[in-house]
Amino acid sequence: TQLLEQSPQFLSIQEGENLTVYCNSSSVFSSLQWYRQEPGEGPVLLVTVVTGGEVKKLKRLTFQFGDARKDSSLHITAAQPGDTGLYLCAGVLDYKLSFGAGTTVTVRA
Amino acid sequence: DAGITQSPRHKVTETGTPVTLRCHQTENHRYMYWYRQDPGHGLRLIHYSYGVKDTDKGEVSDGYSVSRSKTEDFLLTLESATSSQTSVYFCAISPPGEETQYFGPGTRLLVL
Repeated sequence: TQLLEQSPQFLSIQEGENLTVYCNSSSVFSSLQWYRQEPGEGPVLLVTVVTGGEVKKLKRLTFQFGDARKDSSLHITAAQPGDTGLYLCAGVLDYKLSFGAGTTVTVRA
Repeated sequence: DAGITQSPRHKVTETGTPVTLRCHQTENHRYMYWYRQDPGHGLRLIHYSYGVKDTDKGEVSDGYSVSRSKTEDFLLTLESATSSQTSVYFCAISPPGEETQYFGPGTRLLVL
């Protein structure tokens, strides 16, 4: 059973459109991380959110942590083909990560 | 790059044979992790280590053992490989006091 549920599983959009990926859990975590993974490579950390209600921005990517620290979202504005990849959320507890199943994002030129 | 390598990068083996995967780091970090990644499951923790000879089980440890005799090396062993262990295996390291994990490039294992 996945501790973290990600939705949608797949997302295909046109360049310039916006997208949102959701990460939900019934558990409370000390922090939540978002990773991006390219084919044939390991995941790479994008951001860590720690405080309930926190919002972090990374260029065109906006990350939110829910007030209760159980859920998070990733919003990409004006997506570009370079944003294509597998996006993974991970809840952190006692230096261990619990990953969601991931969202495969494809941005068509 | 975090200075973490995995070997081999690809392996094909037969059911019932033993397999050992190696993770090597040049960062001298205390925490090391082994995950497997399967479609629809994300990454799942197999075992982790918090120091030389100090290891503990993750959520999918059955059929796997680990050893850490040196800070830089963390070995994952499948004593008798099964087809259900076909997967991509990732090693990760974590700097002291940080929750960030840095991942290796992965090992693709096929058990026939």
